[in-house]
Amino acid sequence: EVQLVETGGGLIQPGASLRLSCAASGFIVSAKHMSWVRQAPGKGLDWVSVIYSGGTTYYADSVKGRFTVSRDNSKNTLFLQMNSLRAEDTAVYYCARGSGSYYDYSYYYYMDVWGKGTTVTVSS
Amino acid sequence: DIQMTQSPSTLSASVGDRVTITCRASQSISSWLAWYQQKLGKAPNLLIYKASTLEGGVPSRFSGSGSGTEFTLTISSLQADDFATYYCQQYNSYPYSFGQGTKLEIK
Repeated sequence: EVQLVETGGGLIQPGASLRLSCAASGFIVSAKHMSWVRQAPGKGLDWVSVIYSGGTTYYADSVKGRFTVSRDNSKNTLFLQMNSLRAEDTAVYYCARGSGSYYDYSYYYYMDVWGKGTTVTVSS
Repeated sequence: DIQMTQSPSTLSASVGDRVTITCRASQSISSWLAWYQQKLGKAPNLLIYKASTLEGGVPSRFSGSGSGTEFTLTISSLQADDFATYYCQQYNSYPYSFGQGTKLEIK
């Protein structure tokens, strides 16, 4: 069964760091484009970052320079290292698998499998 | 960056109704659009990708259309299980972006 399980969330003080994990089963993380998406309390979905199968990464401007996406192929796990956390980073963080196509020299990937999410609360 | 705007923000409807949700992109995204359903406290669930392709296992009462900057999600005959929030998302270019969501409520 294809599954994603996020862990690592919690209550953290502003300015601190936290690392989220996303363990995958039923497919190989390194063969897929993998994203992080967050949702602040009562708000909509907010794309955070992506790591391509080839290792290329992209970030939302709001987290660029503070968050880093990576993976451990031996553990089939995706990570999100979050530094210099702010109150506005408070959200449920989801990891999601990308599926789609390579067309006209570009990748076009939607998110077809999502984890249940892990909650990050940044507060003093 | 591409902005996605959904309308309406809230939609009240009854079981059996046909409903349509609109999503507009601030610039052309070809057909690189997905629709997701999210129930309270749950992760989003993919319904449609490439504007009109139904994800496997999604009931055929859901359909999507559009290209360029204007897109629609239609539910042909609402079922009780369909009351949820719906999001469109462009995957034409980074940063990916979502619409603000449309909450479908029971009338």
